[in-house]
Amino acid sequence: ETGVTQTPRHLVMGMTNKKSLKCEQHLGHNAMYWYKQSAKKPLELMFVYSLEERVENNSVPSRFSPECPNSSHLFLHLHTLQPEDSALYLCASSTLGQNNEQFFGPGTRLTVL
Amino acid sequence: GENVEQHPSTLSVQEGDSAVIKCTYSDSASNYFPWYKQELGKRPQLIIDIRSNVGEKKDQRIAVTLNKTAKHFSLHITETQPEDSAVYFCAAVNSGGYQKVTFGTGTKLQVIP
Repeated sequence: ETGVTQTPRHLVMGMTNKKSLKCEQHLGHNAMYWYKQSAKKPLELMFVYSLEERVENNSVPSRFSPECPNSSHLFLHLHTLQPEDSALYLCASSTLGQNNEQFFGPGTRLTVL
Repeated sequence: GENVEQHPSTLSVQEGDSAVIKCTYSDSASNYFPWYKQELGKRPQLIIDIRSNVGEKKDQRIAVTLNKTAKHFSLHITETQPEDSAVYFCAAVNSGGYQKVTFGTGTKLQVIP
């Protein structure tokens, strides 16, 4: 499936590193989402971009910084993360409007040492 | 905000038997209830959904029921097969524009051949 792609698929970083996660969708959608998936926890919505404007920030620490330069691309910039930030980070996209399916990317498995 | 509870957290059934997963939600403004299946190491994928104006929906071996008054909805899988083994997530969505999605904690279903 190539509708929503994410890079890198795996990332190991130290607590002082700066890295970025990238998401790209080829479905013509106009809303994009970042989720965090940790073991034994539900999928947690982090950020929502609607028409390239951030419309939701679910109390996410400032060490996570999203960027949406256009409707097809979404980034998550990471800076001075903590070991508890290790998780699978999933990107999703959808069409604005009611009751539209979200399509997920394959995720980036992040390990913070 | 919305709170979604999902039960059970794990479920083992014999091949051919039925499986039922139940979810409750708290926000009466939620109007769309998708179910996602996540196989090991893969992305979540939508398997069935139900809108708030419908009480039941069926797609081959999968059915979903919704009780808006009681704020609960359920997934029913009949004639289970080993390939049904996965983690299933329910979600409640307030979709006035972009989707504000709250996921349940997931149910790990194991179908024993």
